[in-house]
Amino acid sequence: DAKTTQPPSMDCAEGRAANLPCNHSTISGNEYVYWYRQIHSQGPQYIIHGLKNNETNEMASLIITEDRKSSTLILPHATLRDTAVYYCIVRVGSNTNAGKSTFGDGTTLTVKP
Amino acid sequence: GAGVSQSPSNKVTEKGKDVELRCDPISGHTALYWYRQSLGQGLEFLIYFQGNSAPDKSGLPSDRFSAERTGGSVSTLTIQRTQQEDSAVYLCASSSALGGPGNTIYFGEGSWLTVV
Repeated sequence: DAKTTQPPSMDCAEGRAANLPCNHSTISGNEYVYWYRQIHSQGPQYIIHGLKNNETNEMASLIITEDRKSSTLILPHATLRDTAVYYCIVRVGSNTNAGKSTFGDGTTLTVKP
Repeated sequence: GAGVSQSPSNKVTEKGKDVELRCDPISGHTALYWYRQSLGQGLEFLIYFQGNSAPDKSGLPSDRFSAERTGGSVSTLTIQRTQQEDSAVYLCASSSALGGPGNTIYFGEGSWLTVV
């Protein structure tokens, strides 16, 4: 699985969009980008995933650059409850060994009132 | 329940004692993972079970750590002769074996282990 690089921390004002970047310059053509988050004292939670097209669900949007070397997770209207560590991982979509991917240290997002 | 269930949620043990942590995956999920997360750190992969295949133990930090999965469902992670550096939250996760990109990993709430 390709390695990812994320900033260690970010702040965001409540109600504003939070844009969390992730670099994955060694991503392979068959690897997907996944985002998880971990709220303090809880297990990680799946957010969204994508291959090359932008994706949106009820939680967030995922923007993947055309060369697929980086992506951005967008929380359109951040709330205080979105304060968490956000993990970006890449892995082969057909690989059932999904959980062996390295989660790394992620980005600690702090949403402030 | 509908999610991954772990027990105990909290465990305090004395150094040198053995502990067992239990994971009940989502019904029908054939893949099961154990992770360790020390305070302020990322997730450290420990072991992976997939159906009846031999488990991938490549992440186990020492031979004091072992895990088994009976009947392809419930799993137990055992730590023998616990040390203070074993203090961490131990997370279990499961996923289906469909093999597609939507193969999402679902995590439990973790078992917080403190070795004193």
